[in-house]
Amino acid sequence: SAVISQKPSRDICQRGTSLTIQCQVDSQVTMMFWYRQQPGQSLTLIATANQGSEATYESGFVIDKFPISRPNLTFSTLTVSNMSPEDSSIYLCSVPSGNTIYFGEGSWLTVV
Amino acid sequence: KQEVTQIPAALSVPEGENLVLNCSFTDSAIYNLQWFRQDPGKGLTSLLLIQSSQREQTSGRLNASLDKSSGRSTLYIAASQPGDSATYLCAVRPEYGGSQGNLIFGKGTKLSVKP
Repeated sequence: SAVISQKPSRDICQRGTSLTIQCQVDSQVTMMFWYRQQPGQSLTLIATANQGSEATYESGFVIDKFPISRPNLTFSTLTVSNMSPEDSSIYLCSVPSGNTIYFGEGSWLTVV
Repeated sequence: KQEVTQIPAALSVPEGENLVLNCSFTDSAIYNLQWFRQDPGKGLTSLLLIQSSQREQTSGRLNASLDKSSGRSTLYIAASQPGDSATYLCAVRPEYGGSQGNLIFGKGTKLSVKP
C-alpha cells in the first residue's frame, strides 16, 4: 500500500497568482499521476510524472500552465500558474502500487 | 479512446434497500477496473478492484462484478445505510499501461441513503 500526503488541503487564491501543491509518498514509486476534478465533473488526468524526466502531459494540459517537479522517488509538486476561476478544482496526486492506485486527500483550490 | 459511463448519475434510496450502480466502458482491453468512494470535499477511497481475468470481488456489503467482453461492471450494495451516502466512481485501467498505467474515470453516481 502507499500513504500519500498532499499540501495544502484547501486554499483560496487570487486570480492571476500561482500555487504549488506538494505530494509526499511514504515509499519510493516510479510514477506519480496528477489529476484534476472540476466541480461536478469526474477526474481528468493532467500529467504523469516520472523521476528524472520531464512530465508527460495529457491533451489539453501544458507545462507552462501546470509545471511539475519530481526531484526524487517520494515527492512531486504541481504548480497551477496564472490562475483563473476556471482552475477552481480539486487536484489529486496518485501512485500505482501493486495492482491498484492510491490517491492523496486532494487539494481543493478556489480562485476568486 | 476509452470512455467510461456511469448510470444513474444520482440515486436516492431509503435505508435498508439493496441497490445496484452501473458502469460501462467502450474498450474491453482493460488491465483492471476499480470502484472508489468519494465523500464531499475529500479524496478517493478504493472500495474494490477487479482484475481483467476476474468476474467479481466482494468486501462486506459490497459486491462488484465485471463482464469485460460486454464492457460492463456493477457495484451492488446490500442493506444500504446513511453512511453509504457518497459519490461512487468507476475507473478502468487500460491494458496497454499495465500495472503502471493511469485510470480513466466515469462521472460517478451520487448516492443518498435516507434514514
